[in-house]
Amino acid sequence: DTGVSQNPRHKITKRGQNVTFRCDPISEHNRLYWYRQTLGQGPEFLTYFQNEAQLEKSRLLSDRFSAERPKGSFSTLEIQRTEQGDSAMYLCASVGIGQETYEQYFGPGTRLTVT
Amino acid sequence: AQSVTQPDIHITVSEGASLELRCNYSYGATPYLFWYVQSPGQGLQLLLKYFSGDTLVQGIKGFEAEFKRSQSSFNLRKPSVHWSDAAEYFCAVGAWGGADGLTFGKGTHLIIQP
Repeated sequence: DTGVSQNPRHKITKRGQNVTFRCDPISEHNRLYWYRQTLGQGPEFLTYFQNEAQLEKSRLLSDRFSAERPKGSFSTLEIQRTEQGDSAMYLCASVGIGQETYEQYFGPGTRLTVT
Repeated sequence: AQSVTQPDIHITVSEGASLELRCNYSYGATPYLFWYVQSPGQGLQLLLKYFSGDTLVQGIKGFEAEFKRSQSSFNLRKPSVHWSDAAEYFCAVGAWGGADGLTFGKGTHLIIQP
């Protein structure tokens, strides 16, 4: 159990560029979540996968955002045509099979700065 | 819709003193309640959780929390804080099934005075 990993840890991009983040959940965890955290706020739910199926999307997830989880393992979050308002920490969390408490294990996050 | 309120944005406590961080939630059914801690540059670490049973739950690092349904509260306590407890603390609520993720409060920034 090596924990949830996220790459890159930091990303600086210019407005209008596309960025992609990767999340590797704990091995065999079938549930995966993406959150966004802005300065001075708690994390806000973006989307949820169970295995490879994306089952929930928050209204925060505009059409510039897309997430995938091919083969039910790692996940990617892509932001197209980035805006300054997209600057935030993007967090990934995973939950194991049969964990009724839905205890979420978080990765260290990817900090995005849009200039 | 569920929500979490952490009324204290900042709290300053002397090292060795007791600590209580407040959390109030709004949720229509029986909630799953969590406290997470976040240190600079670190991910969120789960301190403790409640979903049924004994309303006083014990967590890691000497923390405990008490669920009070009548007050819709889930306050975090520690009898004696250490300088290493300085961090951001988040209370969160979740639903059975977990599909909508957790709803977090805005956090309380804990400062420890020597």
